[in-house]
Amino acid sequence: EDQVTQSPEALRLQEGESSSLNCSYTVSGLRGLFWYRQDPGKGPEFLFTLYSAGEEKEKERLKATLTKKESFLHITAPKPEDSATYLCAVQGYTGNQFYFGTGTSLTVIP
Amino acid sequence: GAVVSQHPSWVICKSGTSVKIECRSLDFQATTMFWYRQFPKQSLMLMATSNEGSKATYEQGVEKDKFLINHASLTLSTLTVTSAHPEDSSFYICSARPPVAGATDTQYFGPGTRLTVL
Repeated sequence: EDQVTQSPEALRLQEGESSSLNCSYTVSGLRGLFWYRQDPGKGPEFLFTLYSAGEEKEKERLKATLTKKESFLHITAPKPEDSATYLCAVQGYTGNQFYFGTGTSLTVIP
Repeated sequence: GAVVSQHPSWVICKSGTSVKIECRSLDFQATTMFWYRQFPKQSLMLMATSNEGSKATYEQGVEKDKFLINHASLTLSTLTVTSAHPEDSSFYICSARPPVAGATDTQYFGPGTRLTVL
C-alpha cells in the first residue's frame, strides 16, 4: 500500500534559522512526488514536483530534494511569511490518486 | 496559470438539505478533477475522481448516492452533498489536472469550501 509519512509534525523556527522537513514514502513505482503549501482555511498551493532520485528544485528560500525513499524540503533563512503547513504527496504508476502525508506545521518566529 | 476556483467559499445549512459546490478551472481545460475532504489538523482524503463526460470514480467508503458529482464540461465539476447531516461538516477541496504533457501530472487545488451543517 502506498504511504506517506511526514516529520516533524510541527516545527518552530526563529527567523533566519534554516531547517529541513522530511517526507518518507513507499509507493509501487513512483510517478511523482509533490510538495504543497497550505495556509489555514485555504487550499494547497503547488510548490514542486520531483520525478526521480537525485532531482532537486528550488524556489526562493525553498529547495526540494528526492531520494528513492524520501524527500526533503529545505528552508533557508525562513521568514515569518513562510509559516504554513507543508504537505507532501506521492503518485504511483498504478493510478491517478495522490497519497498525502499529514503535513508539517511550520511556524517562523520574528 | 493553473488557477482553480471554488464556490461558495463557505456555506451553512440545516440538516437534511442539499448543498452544491462548484469547482472551476479558470485558465485550462481539465478532463479530470478530484474532490477531497479535510478534517481539522488532518491531511486530505480523496473522495472521488471526476471525469468529464463520464461517471465519477468513488473511493472506498464514500457514498456515491450522498456525494453526487457531475463533470459536465472541461472546466466545471460540481459536488452535491445530499441530505446533509452534521457529520458531513468539513472542508471540501477540489483539484484539477491540466492535460498531461510528458511526465507532468500536477494537481492544482481550489481554495476550498467550508461546509457547516447545523
